[in-house]
Amino acid sequence: KQEVTQIPAALSVPEGENLVLNCSFTDSAIYNLQWFRQDPGKGLTSLLLIQSSQREQTSGRLNASLDKSSGRSTLYIAASQPGDSATYLCAVGGGNTGNQFYFGTGTSLTVIP
Amino acid sequence: GAGVSQSPRYKVAKRGQDVALRCDPISGHVSLFWYQQALGQGPEFLTYFQNEAQLDKSGLPSDRFFAERPEGSVSTLKIQRTQQEDSAVYLCASSSPPEGFFNMNTEAFFGQGTRLTVV
Repeated sequence: KQEVTQIPAALSVPEGENLVLNCSFTDSAIYNLQWFRQDPGKGLTSLLLIQSSQREQTSGRLNASLDKSSGRSTLYIAASQPGDSATYLCAVGGGNTGNQFYFGTGTSLTVIP
Repeated sequence: GAGVSQSPRYKVAKRGQDVALRCDPISGHVSLFWYQQALGQGPEFLTYFQNEAQLDKSGLPSDRFFAERPEGSVSTLKIQRTQQEDSAVYLCASSSPPEGFFNMNTEAFFGQGTRLTVV
């Protein structure tokens, strides 16, 4: 069974700092990897989707990379803002995992004004 | 609609009661997923539909859980004889990969979830 791990579990940074969130997975035979944001009491908002054939995706201040062979992905957030405070979840999809996404337990980010 | 809609947003059920949770996917989306998210955890897969066909129900925790999508659009997750351990947020997601089946273009769009509390 696919295991997804996110490190760190929680992170607190001052506003303006650049930061990196890490995601690792045990089975590299995936179709894609998706990063989500979850605000307290809310659903999941899709941030970036990286297909298995891609190395990275960018959206605004966010950049996600994928190294499928080593089972790792990172989410880089530039110039963090208080509004970035949320839980960030990564999910790997398809391939050997079947018709589903496997999620990590998330990184809780707090950006201090 | 513009996004995935779930109802109710909150449900309190007495232990032993049956509940039904509804998911309206994004119009035209072929794939539909149900997930269960316990407090402080990542979402855990329950079941997957492609149109009206339930292709994977391996994540349903017991035979008290049942999901259907009879016309390939709206889906209902039913939990019979609820127990306290069923308390969680139930999330629905939909996707529309161009090829119609789960592939590298499958991007999931989630609803707000239904928070179920069993007392």
